[in-house]
Amino acid sequence: DAGVTQSPTHLIKTRGQQVTLRCSPISGHKSVSWYQQVLGQGPQFIFQYYEKEERGRGNFPDRFSARQFPNYSSELNVNALLLGDSALYLCASSADSGRRSGELFFGEGSRLTVL
Amino acid sequence: AQSVTQLGSHVSVSEGALVLLRCNYSSSVPPYLFWYVQYPNQGLQLLLKYTSAATLVKGINGFEAEFKKSETSFHLTKPSAHMSDAAEYFCAVSDHNQGGKLIFGQGTELSVKP
Repeated sequence: DAGVTQSPTHLIKTRGQQVTLRCSPISGHKSVSWYQQVLGQGPQFIFQYYEKEERGRGNFPDRFSARQFPNYSSELNVNALLLGDSALYLCASSADSGRRSGELFFGEGSRLTVL
Repeated sequence: AQSVTQLGSHVSVSEGALVLLRCNYSSSVPPYLFWYVQYPNQGLQLLLKYTSAATLVKGINGFEAEFKKSETSFHLTKPSAHMSDAAEYFCAVSDHNQGGKLIFGQGTELSVKP
């Protein structure tokens, strides 16, 4: 069975540009979460979506946005890129709405470099 | 607010030696706790989780962790380290106000010497 898939795996952008990252959850999973992992740090929560509705938002500026599609795949958009947005962006899926006991399954991430 | 602190950003052990990675949490309610492992250039893989059942939790690859409420700790151990255990390890707590949100520690890089 396919796990969580993310694309692209690597990308380079320049300051001020916009980027879209894509995620396909495990088949049957209805919840998708996005995390940002800056080099040398733990992942930081950005968004969670369940059944196409936003269920949680982390402490990120409005330049970050996301959506979930009817097939439960998701996109993360970042506008007006800054050097500090350089990071590994991780997508995670879960079977339920993300209740506390739920397990998150992570993709391998999209590594974004902003020059 | 909930938080996680991992003591030691880097731990080095010899192959065959005991592995001990420390994690302390802060939570106003009984927490759900997790340990994830991240190999280079990969995503995170769940090692084990504590969800208020048995306090000693066994995970994959011979790892286990013990929940100690009195010490607010959830340390990860493995009796005998293997070279393949070299990776980054993250402790996380589930945010009871936002289901599905995990709060991660800073991570501990484990090196295993031959």
